[in-house]
Amino acid sequence: TQLLEQSPQFLSIQEGENLTVYCNSSSVFSSLQWYRQEPGEGPVLLVTVVTGGEVKKLKRLTFQFGDARKDSSLHITAAQPGDTGLYLCAGDSASGTYKYIFGTGTRLKVLA
Amino acid sequence: GAGVSQSPSNKVTEKGKDVELRCDPISGHTALYWYRQSLGQGLEFLIYFQGNSAPDKSGLPSDRFSAERTGGSVSTLTIQRTQQEDSAVYLCASSLYSGTGPGYTFGSGTRLTVV
Repeated sequence: TQLLEQSPQFLSIQEGENLTVYCNSSSVFSSLQWYRQEPGEGPVLLVTVVTGGEVKKLKRLTFQFGDARKDSSLHITAAQPGDTGLYLCAGDSASGTYKYIFGTGTRLKVLA
Repeated sequence: GAGVSQSPSNKVTEKGKDVELRCDPISGHTALYWYRQSLGQGLEFLIYFQGNSAPDKSGLPSDRFSAERTGGSVSTLTIQRTQQEDSAVYLCASSLYSGTGPGYTFGSGTRLTVV
């Protein structure tokens, strides 16, 4: 069974601080995605990474896929209250297949 | 439509009753997924549709759960004889095609409470 563990589970920080969220597995994934979910809404896709070692930037968010494609990280620079939400990583269940397995989630709260 | 639409947004039902949850995916999206989310945690896969077929039903928790999709569009998730442990947010997502890359577009979910 493929599992994706995220850490930390909860994070509360002040506006302007930096943070990193981790997504780890013992399984290899062909691709990995990050989503953000706000209360009462469905998750919204932020990024997809497909190549080991790949780094993608989305404004203040930096996503990295591990060289072995078993782990990923999300780094937020100068966090803002609008970054508050549940961050979920998701890996495809096997090479070239249709289904994503979701991680356990990291709940972020950024205080003004 | 512009996004994935789910109805109802909230449903409170008595234990033992049947419920139907509806998902209207983005027009033209061939892949449709149902997930379940408990207490703001990660998402648990339930079932996947490609067109009207369900190649993977492996996540359905019991035979009380069933789902169908008609016309390659609307999908209905049915839970019979609901139990309190069925309480969760049920999320539907659609994708232009299955496989790596396109990502899911999620609906806002149906919050089911079994009392």
